[in-house]
This record gives sequence, structure tokens and C-alpha cells, in this order.
Amino acid sequence: DQQVKQNSPSLSVQEGRISILNCDYTNSMFDYFLWYKKYPAEGPTFLISISSIKDKNEDGRFTVFLNKSAKHLSLHIVPSQPGDSAVYFCAAIASGGYQKVTFGTGTKLQVIP
Amino acid sequence: NAGVMQNPRHLVRRRGQEARLRCSPMKGHSHVYWYRQLPEEGLKFMVYLQKENIIDESGMPKERFSAEFPKEGPSILRIQQVVRGDSAAYFCASSPFIEADTQYFGPGTRLTVL
Repeated sequence: DQQVKQNSPSLSVQEGRISILNCDYTNSMFDYFLWYKKYPAEGPTFLISISSIKDKNEDGRFTVFLNKSAKHLSLHIVPSQPGDSAVYFCAAIASGGYQKVTFGTGTKLQVIP
Repeated sequence: NAGVMQNPRHLVRRRGQEARLRCSPMKGHSHVYWYRQLPEEGLKFMVYLQKENIIDESGMPKERFSAEFPKEGPSILRIQQVVRGDSAAYFCASSPFIEADTQYFGPGTRLTVL
């Protein structure tokens, strides 16, 4: 049962334009959400996070939006750069203490120069 | 401060052999997590350990798989009698305390079972 879903396995965007990566979740106990970026042959690296008490968090070119009623979050990257080309994982943590992270299946972003 | 270290980076085993994957957490981190990524899938939680204790092993197969995080030395994920379906990338992550809102991941060990 995939509790965190990323329905777009891949996305191509022109350099300088906006990249929008989407994520849906089903578990109402999730209250903290993260985005990770992963290059080939490397481990995921943390990018940005958002608590369920917020609906937006911004860090430089990266903004995460959370719509709790729709159980949907999105990551916006603007402007997109070729170095952003990677696999992006949406992830979630349920309330209850420790950090058991549930990952989505990932979206491969390609930014075309 | 060195990051999370995993070795080996690549491991090839024949069916029926044992695989031992090692993870050295970041300095000062006492919480270790193991994840498995099968081809074309996301990372799946396997086990969460603190020093000398398994806190949550709900994601780990009941048979053939075991994990430990001794008082001294790295955390070990052990897979006995490997089968082809065990072929995957195994990632370790560490965090400094239970309230950490991020985990730091190692580069992973890619296990191939022939």
C-alpha cells in the first residue's frame, strides 16, 4: 500500500522555467513532510520540509506547498537550473515520535539547458 | 565532520550466501535507520536502531534479515541465504536525536545477487 504517491515518474523543464513536482498522501497521521533530492549512486539529501501547521515554506528557489484537505503537496523550483536534474522524493513522517520516514516513488526531473 | 559512511558500496553475492552491510553514522549520531530501494521504487523503511537497541523493525522481513548497532563500531545489516529478490540498494541514515527533523543518508550499498 503506497501511502505517499508521486504519480509523475518523470518531468522535463526548460532552464529558467518553473518546475512543479506533485505528491499525494493517504495517511491522515502524517504531520511532517519532506522533499529529498537524489543523484545517481548517491544517497538522498534533504531539500526542504514543511509541518502540517503550515501551508507554505520557502527556501531560496524552492517552495513547498501543503494542502491538508486535499492531502496534497507540491515542490516548486524557480528558476530551474540544469544542476537541479535529479530524482526528487516526497516523504512523510507520522506523529508519534521517531523518524520513520515514508517515501514516495520519486520523480525524475530533467532541466534542459 | 564526515558524513554517513557505508561499505561496501557494491556487493555481489551468489544465491545462498550471506551479505553484511556496514553503516557508520555521523559523529555524535546515535540513531540509525536502514532503508531498501528496489528497482523503480522509492525507499522503504526497514529498521530503526539506537545504540545496542532495536527500536522498530516493522519494515524488515521476518526471516533471513537482522540488524544490530553495537556499543562500539558500525551498524550492521545482515542478510542470510540471499535470494535474487534481495538485489537492491540499501541505504543507511543517521540522526543526532529523536526529535531530529531530518536524517542524513549514506551513499548506499548496491547488492547484486547472482
